[in-house]
Amino acid sequence: EAGVAQSPRYKIIEKRQSVAFWCNPISGHATLYWYQQILGQGPKLLIQFQNNGVVDDSQLPKDRFSAERLKGVDSTLKIQPAKLEDSAVYLCASSLTDIRGPGNTIYFGEGSWLTVV
Amino acid sequence: KQEVTQIPAALSVPEGENLVLNCSFTDSAIYNLQWFRQDPGKGLTSLLLIQSSQREQTSGRLNASLDKSSGRSTLYIAASQPGDSATYLCAAANNAGNMLTFGGGTRLMVKP
Repeated sequence: EAGVAQSPRYKIIEKRQSVAFWCNPISGHATLYWYQQILGQGPKLLIQFQNNGVVDDSQLPKDRFSAERLKGVDSTLKIQPAKLEDSAVYLCASSLTDIRGPGNTIYFGEGSWLTVV
Repeated sequence: KQEVTQIPAALSVPEGENLVLNCSFTDSAIYNLQWFRQDPGKGLTSLLLIQSSQREQTSGRLNASLDKSSGRSTLYIAASQPGDSATYLCAAANNAGNMLTFGGGTRLMVKP
């Protein structure tokens, strides 16, 4: 079974530039998450989708971050304009159901590493 | 707001030791608690999930316990091996079941 795919793996940009990350979840998984993990810290949820609807985006800095999940499958996370403090790993994850459902095991991709200089 | 803390932040043990990793959370109204493993440069792998009504879960050499009333969970690793070296993270799901709050992780090194 193919895992969660993310691209690009690594990206270096200058502050005020924009960047986009792409995620392809495991086939059939309705729930998709984007997490931000700063070095030495645990992941922080940015946004959660259920199919193509947003379940939670309370911790997404909406002035600069945006995310979409078209057709309930692939998702993109965009940052515009980037700040130095956005340097982190952006992890995409998916699960068959949400946390309350029977298929609530979460599978993570390997992450997209962003450095803002 | 839920806060999850993991102590110690780093741990180094010789091969063969049994060890305990600690996780504490401030809001006991959780839906479940999960333990993950993260290898350097990789994503997270789910290890164990304990529902709020359960007290423990076991998988091979791993055993996780949950005490909601005291806001604590422990991950017990028996007979540690060098291949167990990784960062271990715990995460508490809120009662609405729609958000995981992660701790900062414990970085484990098992020396041969």
